[in-house]
Amino acid sequence: NFMLTQPHSVSESPGKTVIISCTRSSGSVASNYVQWYQFRPGSSPTTVIYEDKRRPSGVPDRFSGSIDTSSNSASLSISGLKTEDEAEYYCQSFDTNNFLVFGGGTKLTVV
Amino acid sequence: QVQLQESGPGLVKPSQTLSLTCTVSGGSISSGYYYWSWIRQPPERGLEWVGYISGIGSTNYNPSLKSRVTMSLDPSKNQFSLKLSSVTSADTAVYYCARGGAPRPGYWGPGTLVTVSS
Repeated sequence: NFMLTQPHSVSESPGKTVIISCTRSSGSVASNYVQWYQFRPGSSPTTVIYEDKRRPSGVPDRFSGSIDTSSNSASLSISGLKTEDEAEYYCQSFDTNNFLVFGGGTKLTVV
Repeated sequence: QVQLQESGPGLVKPSQTLSLTCTVSGGSISSGYYYWSWIRQPPERGLEWVGYISGIGSTNYNPSLKSRVTMSLDPSKNQFSLKLSSVTSADTAVYYCARGGAPRPGYWGPGTLVTVSS
């Protein structure tokens, strides 16, 4: 099976743009869709990106997703950072048996 | 908008069976279109997929848990459930239920902490 590796933490200032990476250890990142989830304390988790780059209704267009086959990674970009974006973000993909694989999570600090 | 809420005992003794229910509102569990998932997060660790059950009752479980996991649907109550047998302290976690239009979470419940301890 493969692993998804994320940076443990990232930090950026309000109004700036941050990019969180999710690198697949084996197999092509393009072979299975990648999703991104936001975990904020005191709130139910939410899906911010699904199928690599699609945004659920209600998610601001400040959130965008992409994949890069040259680095075999997916990325979540958040522009115009707000303090409310401070959260833990997890990427997720599938293996060939449709088993879900999660990244280790990235804690985003907006200061 | 669909909402999900986990419920069940917060404390389970080692070797016993953990039983959780997810109550769904704002959408029917009988639609057949959706996938109903369980995901857990042990303390200070990342997410672990437990498994999912489709709207027609087919299941897919994490291989590392498969021998101990059972998921089911209860359309009469608009609920789905998780049973995890022979629990140990390693099963202590926040357990989340979720719904997706594909075999991945879309909408999530807030999560419930289950502690395994004597």
